[in-house]
Amino acid sequence: DGGITQSPKYLFRKEGQNVTLSCEQNLNHDAMYWYRQDPGQGLRLIYYSQIVNDFQKGDIAEGYSVSREKKESFPLTVTSAQKNPTAFYLCASRGTRRETQYFGPGTRLLVL
Amino acid sequence: AQSVTQLGSHVSVSEGALVLLRCNYSSSVPPYLFWYVQYPNQGLQLLLKYTSAATLVKGINGFEAEFKKSETSFHLTKPSAHMSDAAEYFCAVTFTDKLIFGTGTRLQVFP
Repeated sequence: DGGITQSPKYLFRKEGQNVTLSCEQNLNHDAMYWYRQDPGQGLRLIYYSQIVNDFQKGDIAEGYSVSREKKESFPLTVTSAQKNPTAFYLCASRGTRRETQYFGPGTRLLVL
Repeated sequence: AQSVTQLGSHVSVSEGALVLLRCNYSSSVPPYLFWYVQYPNQGLQLLLKYTSAATLVKGINGFEAEFKKSETSFHLTKPSAHMSDAAEYFCAVTFTDKLIFGTGTRLQVFP
């Protein structure tokens, strides 16, 4: 069953804590993306990666970090520097250039 | 710079009525255009896409969209709304490796 999985579905962060969101795909896609979604603001790009061991900042990268050690995996860490992390986080992947991005089910991050 | 504008953050229709969700884009090169649908607390699902072939694009669930270069528009339509169409709809444009999204339109369907 091909697709994109994200875990956990809900994540709670305490003040000053780093948390990591998982994103895995078995579509053999080269490119992967992380978006943040807030009500009324659409989707904003955090980071993206077009190939293993390489990634680029998106529009709102401050307070976030990523790694791309495997083609299938693109985890996102929300660091303590991100002062307003409460949001819905979506991971996506894409095959060839300019083709469709496919999305995972999302992770909702809440602050305790 | 490329951008997408969705007119109307909320649209309400009666069941069986025409659905029209508006999307205008700005792009200096021929764009690829997409419509996605999002149900509450879920990811985005592709409805349809335009990739410079036919200007009238048919998608899933009875939706279609027409690319009009002269109007820089890619409006989404469905002849007859169903209760299950209630969701948020996003228009997006790409010309490189990134998607640029509109801010979304929430569709409500009343019985």
